[in-house]
Amino acid sequence: QIQLVESGGGVVQPGRSLRLSCAASGFTLSNYAMHWVRQAPGKGLEWVALISYDGNNEYYADSVKGRFTISRDNSENTLYLQMNSLRAEDTAVYYCARVGTWLQLLADYWGQGTLVTVSS
Amino acid sequence: QSVLTQPATVSGSPGQSITISCTGTSSDVGGYDFVSWYQRHPGKAPKLLIYDVSDRPSGVSSRFSASKSGNTASLTISGLQAEDEADYFCSSYTSRSILVFGGGTSLTVL
Repeated sequence: QIQLVESGGGVVQPGRSLRLSCAASGFTLSNYAMHWVRQAPGKGLEWVALISYDGNNEYYADSVKGRFTISRDNSENTLYLQMNSLRAEDTAVYYCARVGTWLQLLADYWGQGTLVTVSS
Repeated sequence: QSVLTQPATVSGSPGQSITISCTGTSSDVGGYDFVSWYQRHPGKAPKLLIYDVSDRPSGVSSRFSASKSGNTASLTISGLQAEDEADYFCSSYTSRSILVFGGGTSLTVL
């Protein structure tokens, strides 16, 4: 069955970097665009980034533009989120999600999330 | 503050029906028939319940239904069951070509 498993979360100091991974199985990753979405404590979900199926196009929320980079390795069935210059407000559970339909960017399958805590 | 507004909590007794609202603007919910609903149990991956306002993916119970009127979308769960106790959140495509989400609603089955 379709599975997305995030990893790489943890506690990091402000200003430092962290890379999240999302391992995909049960479908051909190279056929799908992918999202990263996050949820800060006590807040709603926030879309973070989107990458096209081939990695040629990337889109970012204004809150992370210039600091975060989404990428993918289709040969390894893995999605990444490189997070630099981390801030306290980046503390959140980070989810990867598959884009089931590009037209409306439908997130049809999600992982369980990985927690990132930015704190000194 | 989330872009889409949902009630923080709703509750109902087994067998009853409940409705969760999701209010946006003409730039998101009101402007596109691309509203989705998700269910998330604690520690689990969110599960897609509804897409394109009212369509159910294969395997989702017909007890879950949804609709939209103007800038407000609604999810109805009929015949409440204990297993329905979870968080529910809505999502919409927007005029900025991104997704926006609601703050989430915690459903308690009494």
